Amino acid sequence: RKEVEQDPGPFNVPEGATVAFNCTYSNSASQSFFWYRQDCRKEPKLLMSVYSSGNEDGRFTAQLNRASQYISLLIRDSKLSDSATYLCVTQGRGNNRLAFGKGNQVVVIP
Amino acid sequence: DADVTQTPRNRITKTGKRIMLECSQTKGHDRMYWYRQDPGLGLRLIYYSFDVKDINKGEISDGYSVSRQAQAKFSLSLESAIPNQTALYFCATSDVDISNTGELFFGEGSRLTVL
Repeated sequence: RKEVEQDPGPFNVPEGATVAFNCTYSNSASQSFFWYRQDCRKEPKLLMSVYSSGNEDGRFTAQLNRASQYISLLIRDSKLSDSATYLCVTQGRGNNRLAFGKGNQVVVIP
Repeated sequence: DADVTQTPRNRITKTGKRIMLECSQTKGHDRMYWYRQDPGLGLRLIYYSFDVKDINKGEISDGYSVSRQAQAKFSLSLESAIPNQTALYFCATSDVDISNTGELFFGEGSRLTVL
């Protein structure tokens, strides 16, 4: 089983709408979870960490469900500039390693 | 200027050639990493280094070697390139244990094509 699984999409979202997507992880011992953003032909950049209690950063909300081993990202009031691939990242097996998902591609449509 | 710089940014080569990808950073971080990204496979760790002369294998180290010449420099070599090494390669740095912070600082990537 892959360490992190994501539905690659694309998720086509009208501007101003809300979009949400999940990723599942297999390492039940993982304590750390993150979302990265990767623009087309660019490097990934950390978007936000995901805390057990959930957390919000502006229009972005991240949630963790340990029982079902998934994390989610919700984007409210989508902007054209939100078009990107969102990578789900967890603590990998072995020390000091992160496991990356393939990414959820979001396309915000005017 | 970028804090993490990779050269070359694009390279086309032939099967069997030796290729070196170079990475330098001005962030002062001790930890450096090499990843490759393939469509449909996500980012996979090739090698990482926590200090000069410290080298550790990642998930997919076969066919690759690395050298950490200085704190700021970490190079990746393909001794004899093969077509399935065609990919986008990223160098990254971190200042502490990334299991906690999750923050890697990536270079802009090196696109390698092996014919």
